[in-house]
Amino acid sequence: DSGVTQTPKHLITATGQRVTLRCSPRSGDLSVYWYQQSLDQGLQFLIQYYNGEERAKGNILERFSAQQFPDLHSELNLSSLELGDSALYFCASSISGSGTDTQYFGPGTRLTVL
Amino acid sequence: AQSVTQPDIHITVSEGASLELRCNYSYGATPYLFWYVQSPGQGLQLLLKYFSGDTLVQGIKGFEAEFKRSQSSFNLRKPSVHWSDAAEYFCAVVAPGSARQLTFGSGTQLTVLP
Repeated sequence: DSGVTQTPKHLITATGQRVTLRCSPRSGDLSVYWYQQSLDQGLQFLIQYYNGEERAKGNILERFSAQQFPDLHSELNLSSLELGDSALYFCASSISGSGTDTQYFGPGTRLTVL
Repeated sequence: AQSVTQPDIHITVSEGASLELRCNYSYGATPYLFWYVQSPGQGLQLLLKYFSGDTLVQGIKGFEAEFKRSQSSFNLRKPSVHWSDAAEYFCAVVAPGSARQLTFGSGTQLTVLP
């Protein structure tokens, strides 16, 4: 158990819908990262937050957005969903958000778009 | 272009045999290097990491990795594989400079035969 929690574990929805994925980092970790794992694209970095502020952005679509709240949990919002958004979405956390930090991964949320 | 490559999509070994999983990177300077393991239905777990210093790195579960600057490689090894090692293994890097996010290779699926 990494100490990172993600809810829900599974999410099934229809095209055009909007969903919210939630992540609670390990106690004491200030930085949160979101990654997407799909068969087509592999594991890809989406976005990073540190202490409530966006720190880095990767291949995140404009239909996707995220935020980190004062209690340090984070939410990833996916809207206007398409079939291709079906993937496993991981949240990771680290202490300071530096490049040498170990990132601890949650168990993921499996999103299926029908 | 900057990249991390795992040339072997799938490797099959017998239990008790030795294992080597290959990872090559292409960056102007040496990135920070990581190996993660993903068991079915699980998140990713860090096996080991390398930033500098001794080029032979010891990790958890009996794994080790050797950094070879001349070959731009960071191969993962285990002297004797156990059936529980069957999983997918990802090499990952944090690019030198201001980047903090992990860039993953495409992964190597390990099957262990009894």
